[in-house]
Amino acid sequence: QKEVEQNSGPLSVPEGAIASLNCTYSDRVSQSFFWYRQYSGKSPELIMSIYSNGDKEDGRFTAQLNKASQYVSLLIRDSQPSDSATYLCAPYTGNTPLVFGKGTRLSVIA
Amino acid sequence: SQTIHQWPATLVQPVGSPLSLECTVEGTSNPNLYWYRQAAGRGLQLLFYSVGIGQISSEVPQNLSASRPQDRQFILSSKKLLLSDSGFYLCALERSYSGANVLTFGAGSRLTVL
Repeated sequence: QKEVEQNSGPLSVPEGAIASLNCTYSDRVSQSFFWYRQYSGKSPELIMSIYSNGDKEDGRFTAQLNKASQYVSLLIRDSQPSDSATYLCAPYTGNTPLVFGKGTRLSVIA
Repeated sequence: SQTIHQWPATLVQPVGSPLSLECTVEGTSNPNLYWYRQAAGRGLQLLFYSVGIGQISSEVPQNLSASRPQDRQFILSSKKLLLSDSGFYLCALERSYSGANVLTFGAGSRLTVL
C-alpha cells in the first residue's frame, strides 16, 4: 500500500516570506515526484516535477528531493496571496496510477 | 493541444437517484483516462482508470461504475446515489511529460447528494 503523507495545514505565511511544504512517501520504487496546486473549487494543476536527488528551481518555486529519506519538499520564495491554495504531492512509480497526498493548504497573508 | 471536457459542472441529486457524469477528451487518441473523487476535506481518491475502449479497472469497490464506450469518452455512473457519494469528481488524462506520465485534470463535476 503506497502512502503519501503531507501536513494538512493550514500553513500561514506572511506575504514575501518563504513557504515550505513537505511530503514523505512510503514506496521506495518511486522515480519521479510531482507537485500539483489546487485553488479552492478548482481542479489540480501540475506546477513542478523532480526526478533526481537535490534541488530543482523554476522561478519562485524550488523542489527538493531526498530519495534516501523518502522526502520531497516544495519551497515558494517571495510568497504572494495568489499562492494561497492546496498543494498536492504525487510520487510516480512508472507503471501505476498516481497516488496523491491529501495536500497542504497554504494561506499567504497580505 | 489536449483538452478535457466534463459535464455537468454542478448537480444536486436526491439519495437513491441515478447518476451519469461524462468526460470527453480532444487532441489525443487512445488515452489513459481516470476518474478521481475528492470529498470535502479529503484527498484525491482514485475510483477508476481505463487504458482503452471497454477496459475499466476499479480501485475502490462501491456503488459507482465506469464505462468507456468510445476512445475519447469516459462515463461515471451510479444506479442509486448515497449521501457519501457527494464530492468533486475529476476526470484526468494521462500524458507524457519529461519522460514520465503525468495527469491533466478536467474542470470537474461537483455533486451534492441530499
